[in-house]
Amino acid sequence: DAGVIQSPRHEVTEMGQEVTLRCKPISGHNSLFWYRQTMMRGLELLIYFNNNVPIDDSGMPEDRFSAKMPNASFSTLKIQPSEPRDSAVYFCASSLDTGELFFGEGSRLTVL
Amino acid sequence: GEDVEQSLFLSVREGDSSVINCTYTDSSSTYLYWYKQEPGAGLQLLTYIFSNMDMKQDQRLTVLLNKKDKHLSLRIADTQTGDSAIYFCAFSGAGNNRKLIWGLGTSLAVNP
Repeated sequence: DAGVIQSPRHEVTEMGQEVTLRCKPISGHNSLFWYRQTMMRGLELLIYFNNNVPIDDSGMPEDRFSAKMPNASFSTLKIQPSEPRDSAVYFCASSLDTGELFFGEGSRLTVL
Repeated sequence: GEDVEQSLFLSVREGDSSVINCTYTDSSSTYLYWYKQEPGAGLQLLTYIFSNMDMKQDQRLTVLLNKKDKHLSLRIADTQTGDSAIYFCAFSGAGNNRKLIWGLGTSLAVNP
């Protein structure tokens, strides 16, 4: 299995631009998570889906952030408009309803 | 609310034992986890322990759980330079195995 696949690995953009991060979970996993990692705040859960349905989005910072999971093999996290404080590494992870999460390699976002 | 605390840095010499500590506030967790993050990569599950256990050993790794003091530790015997990474403790929130509560991570530096 290829594991959780995220794209892009790196993105540099200017303030105000739209950013879309993509994730392909491990086939057969029914839970998908979006995390943000920064030095200051550590690992923060933004949102998680179970069977493609958003279950808890209480970690989504504000309305500029949105996430979708149109099918079991694809999810997106969108930031519009982006701001410099959104600079972070964004991780997608998937699991089979247990605490064993399988993480992607992350998308490093820099907003200038 | 639920909280997890870890010391941020640990430095050891190659061949010594490393002990990474974690304290938590929620006593209702079923599972407690240790994840490892190597530079530029996502997190990877290292080991976990059930809350009804006091100790778990897996090759060079020993996990100790003191439920009374709400203290979890990870001991790495014969620490190698390849063990240099950030180590996160995490536990499942009350009644929810999907939503993990994370520590900020302990950065382990192994010196030759």
